[in-house]
Amino acid sequence: GQSLEQPSEVTAVEGAIVQINCTYQTSGFYGLSWYQQHDGGAPTFLSYNALDGLEETGRFSSFLSRSDSYGYLLLQELQMKDSASYFCAVRDTGFQKLVFGTGTRLLVSP
Amino acid sequence: DAGVTQSPTHLIKTRGQQVTLRCSPKSGHDTVSWYQQALGQGPQFIFQYYEEEERQRGNFPDRFSGHQFPNYSSELNVNALLLGDSALYLCASSIRDRGAGSTDTQYFGPGTRLTVL
Repeated sequence: GQSLEQPSEVTAVEGAIVQINCTYQTSGFYGLSWYQQHDGGAPTFLSYNALDGLEETGRFSSFLSRSDSYGYLLLQELQMKDSASYFCAVRDTGFQKLVFGTGTRLLVSP
Repeated sequence: DAGVTQSPTHLIKTRGQQVTLRCSPKSGHDTVSWYQQALGQGPQFIFQYYEEEERQRGNFPDRFSGHQFPNYSSELNVNALLLGDSALYLCASSIRDRGAGSTDTQYFGPGTRLTVL
């Protein structure tokens, strides 16, 4: 079967650093993506890891360990606007189909 | 550069009816995928279209069907609506992976909120 596990909710204060973990079990693996979704909005692409290691994009970084079937999204210098749901998603075939996790709701407080 | 657009924004139907949702991909994209997102859940893959053909399908019944047009736009049709079909329907566009180096980025539209009464 296919499954991606994420914490359901994470809370933090402005300016802090938060890490959202994702473990996956899929039939195939072509890469791990992260998406941000504000309430009522569309998922917005944040980052993609196809190989092991860290990818950095501004305040956001994403890490992948294929041997551990594990990845995480690191958000630094948190801002109120970062309050949203964050989804990890695995591309498990060559057809770009994404399998999404259940999402982590991040609440940033002043 | 226009992003992915979807219409309508909201739709209310009754059980048993049929619905058609529309999607225009981002400029330069040739692949369209449809996802269903229930409240509080992650998007679930319905199917993907490329070169006007369904290329891959998720675990959805035949009541869900689609089409892609020569201009790459796409439609999602759902027949015999059930209460459980109430969800946000998302369209995502991308460029077909033609080999190594694809960044795998899918761009999502704002979605169509379907309510079945």
